[in-house]
Amino acid sequence: RKEVEQDPGPFNVPEGATVAFNCTYSNSASQSFFWYRQDCRKEPKLLMSVYSSGNEDGRFTAQLNRASQYISLLIRDSKLSDSATYLCVVNAGGGSYIPTFGRGTSLIVHP
Amino acid sequence: SAVISQKPSRDICQRGTSLTIQCQVDSQVTMMFWYRQQPGQSLTLIATANQGSEATYESGFVIDKFPISRPNLTFSTLTVSNMSPEDSSIYLCSVERGAGVREQYFGPGTRLTVT
Repeated sequence: RKEVEQDPGPFNVPEGATVAFNCTYSNSASQSFFWYRQDCRKEPKLLMSVYSSGNEDGRFTAQLNRASQYISLLIRDSKLSDSATYLCVVNAGGGSYIPTFGRGTSLIVHP
Repeated sequence: SAVISQKPSRDICQRGTSLTIQCQVDSQVTMMFWYRQQPGQSLTLIATANQGSEATYESGFVIDKFPISRPNLTFSTLTVSNMSPEDSSIYLCSVERGAGVREQYFGPGTRLTVT
């Protein structure tokens, strides 16, 4: 089983739609969780950290489910500019910062 | 966040040669990281570079193939030695920021093609 797993997609949605991605992780001791966005031929950029209580930033909501070992990203009112690959990142913690990246979920928002 | 630059942004090299990639950060950082992202794949950590000590390499990566320098707290280099076409990839440096939750910020990447 891979350490961090994501559905590669692509998720193809119309503008204005709500779309959600999940990411599962295998290490139950994982401490920190993030969503990154990567545009084609660009570097990954931090979208948001994922807190235990969940967090929201505008149209984006991230949730953590420790019991089931997954994190989710919900995007409401999708824009064309949301088209990108969304990477899930998990850090095992324990004083050793070795983040593990998922392969990413591709999102295509069409008119 | 952090402002990170990398040079070169891209290069096409012949097999058997070596390429050194530079990474410059706008402020002092303790740890710098080097990643590789092959086409269609996610990021793979190559090594962690601390100033004043040897880099720590991940499984599958060795110093002879990927020597790293970290002469000060704002700069690092990664050399890809004796290149083969399998080394064609995007190479990214990154730094971490934050006291509690440590977030990573990436340079723009170096796109390497080995012919």
